[in-house]
Amino acid sequence: SQQGEEDPQALSIQEGENATMNCSYKTSINNLQWYRQNSGRGLVHLILIRSNEREKHSGRLRVTLDTSKKSSSLLITASRAADTASYFCATGANSKLTFGKGITLSVRP
Amino acid sequence: GAVVSQHPSRVICKSGTSVKIECRSLDFQATTMFWYRQFPKQSLMLMATSNEGSKATYEQGVEKDKFLINHASLTLSTLTVTSAHPEDSSFYICSAPQGHGSTDTQYFGPGTRLTVL
Repeated sequence: SQQGEEDPQALSIQEGENATMNCSYKTSINNLQWYRQNSGRGLVHLILIRSNEREKHSGRLRVTLDTSKKSSSLLITASRAADTASYFCATGANSKLTFGKGITLSVRP
Repeated sequence: GAVVSQHPSRVICKSGTSVKIECRSLDFQATTMFWYRQFPKQSLMLMATSNEGSKATYEQGVEKDKFLINHASLTLSTLTVTSAHPEDSSFYICSAPQGHGSTDTQYFGPGTRLTVL
């Protein structure tokens, strides 16, 4: 069953703008991860945040985790056309990853 | 980062035939690999966990006799779709965690697009 639910489902922004994507989940987790998928390709791991962490940065990416609200956000700053892809959050628990439905991000040049 | 390969990348087969998909971890050993399927514009659904040296663990609703998994070595897992039908057409993706924590960072293969005619 689906664990993570991202919103919005689709996001279109201008190059240079920031993109914020949210993910909510329902059960306890060990960690939450964000992945990117270009059309018809495999997934690329972006960032992992553990349940005892609140914020994490990696390059232009910033991830927050609020376990009390069971939610996470992914911020991509200074977006580029190459950031156009689908983004998935995945919750890790009981030795498995459960993926959300994904967000389609389009960055217009 | 770690590399996971899949072969073939695309396969078209006739209904009733069997198709084998390979998943290899190229520069690390994986005692566990995961198999997912993804329908167009949808999320990844975990099908099964492949365990080296033991039987695979299947998710609820996944037919183990339909989707045969063999984890032959620490770097290779195979998924065989037996007696494939058009409804089995999908994008199949494998992943392998690097490290002992099986929900730590997972490295995904590029996927296999299966089309059953």
